[in-house]
Amino acid sequence: DAGVIQSPRHEVTEMGQEVTLRCKPISGHNSLFWYRQTMMRGLELLIYFNNNVPIDDSGMPEDRFSAKMPNASFSTLKIQPSEPRDSAVYFCASSEGLLGLREQFFGPGTRLTVL
Amino acid sequence: TQLLEQSPQFLSIQEGENLTVYCNSSSVFSSLQWYRQEPGEGPVLLVTVVTGGEVKKLKRLTFQFGDARKDSSLHITAAQPGDTGLYLCAGVPMEYGNKLVFGAGTILRVKS
Repeated sequence: DAGVIQSPRHEVTEMGQEVTLRCKPISGHNSLFWYRQTMMRGLELLIYFNNNVPIDDSGMPEDRFSAKMPNASFSTLKIQPSEPRDSAVYFCASSEGLLGLREQFFGPGTRLTVL
Repeated sequence: TQLLEQSPQFLSIQEGENLTVYCNSSSVFSSLQWYRQEPGEGPVLLVTVVTGGEVKKLKRLTFQFGDARKDSSLHITAAQPGDTGLYLCAGVPMEYGNKLVFGAGTILRVKS
């Protein structure tokens, strides 16, 4: 199994530009999670999907952030327009179920730098 | 304020020493997990504890869930350089449904 795949691994962009992060979950997993990790705030859940449907987006910081999951094998997290304070490592994770007992498998992350 | 408070934030020890990392909260959790994260990678699950008072062992690592399900600890015996990493506790608070919340983590460095 290839595990959770994220792209790009690194992204450097200028303030105001649109950024799109991509994630391919593990085949057969029906839950997908987007996290953001910074030194100051640690690992924060942004949004999660179950069976391609957004369940809880209360962690999305602002309207500049949006996430989609058009099918079971692909999700995107978009920031438009990007700001320097969005600089962080963004992780995608997937699991077989929604409950906290289920193991979440994390991707390698996308390191985003907004200049 | 973090719902899960981890201590210490940083720990630097010599190979062979023992250590304990703590994860505390005022909230009750239906389950708690411990993850380890290495630089440039995502967190990897080490263990899930569900029952209050539960103790699980994974080689030199011992995990305990508090009786009241509000806290947990991770004890490492005879630490090795390969144990170096960021240790994160995460749990599902009873009042939050299915949402997994993470502590800020403990950075462990084991020197040879």
